[in-house]
Amino acid sequence: SQTIHQWPATLVQPVGSPLSLECTVEGTSNPNLYWYRQAAGRGLQLLFYSVGIGQISSEVPQNLSASRPQDRQFILSSKKLLLSDSGFYLCAWVTGDTQYFGPGTRLTVL
Amino acid sequence: GESVGLHLPTLSVQEGDNSIINCAYSNSASDYFIWYKQESGKGPQFIIDIRSNMDKRQGQRVTVLLNKTVKHLSLQIAATQPGDSAVYFCAEDSGGSYIPTFGRGTSLIVHP
Repeated sequence: SQTIHQWPATLVQPVGSPLSLECTVEGTSNPNLYWYRQAAGRGLQLLFYSVGIGQISSEVPQNLSASRPQDRQFILSSKKLLLSDSGFYLCAWVTGDTQYFGPGTRLTVL
Repeated sequence: GESVGLHLPTLSVQEGDNSIINCAYSNSASDYFIWYKQESGKGPQFIIDIRSNMDKRQGQRVTVLLNKTVKHLSLQIAATQPGDSAVYFCAEDSGGSYIPTFGRGTSLIVHP
């Protein structure tokens, strides 16, 4: 069966520090992968998506970046976090036409 | 992109009642619709989907209705239970883009 993992589950970081969030999927190959951010009480904002290794599309200009070093690994990074980067970060993948989401990472920037 | 919106941000119901969560969409090219349930602190979970060639689809205690004429989608939950308390999102996709547009969510509160 296919599963999606994210880590860490929670993270508290100071402003200006770097960020690396990881997402991995199992049980599938060459998936479309997505990073979303969700602010408290809000909907989902698409940040990046990837259709293959090394292929990244950015939806929202910001101080975040994404990389896909392996087929089933998707990484969200920042060199210097801002307060506004706080939120719930969700990785997702597609099977058939449907997106399925990971458990999320709660990021708090202080 | 075109928007997908929800009529009510919060819906409160009594346990055992039926719940109806509504969603409007504006992209007439949308051909695939999904409902997700998101519990506090967790990622959204797929509930049910429907394609534009259908107007109704049923799952376990849930039914999705699609009215393409007025671009309206609804999720009906039968015999609502406290465990159904969550935020419900509708999403639409068109042309197999695999980049769905999400609504802002409706919070369903079930009172015992």
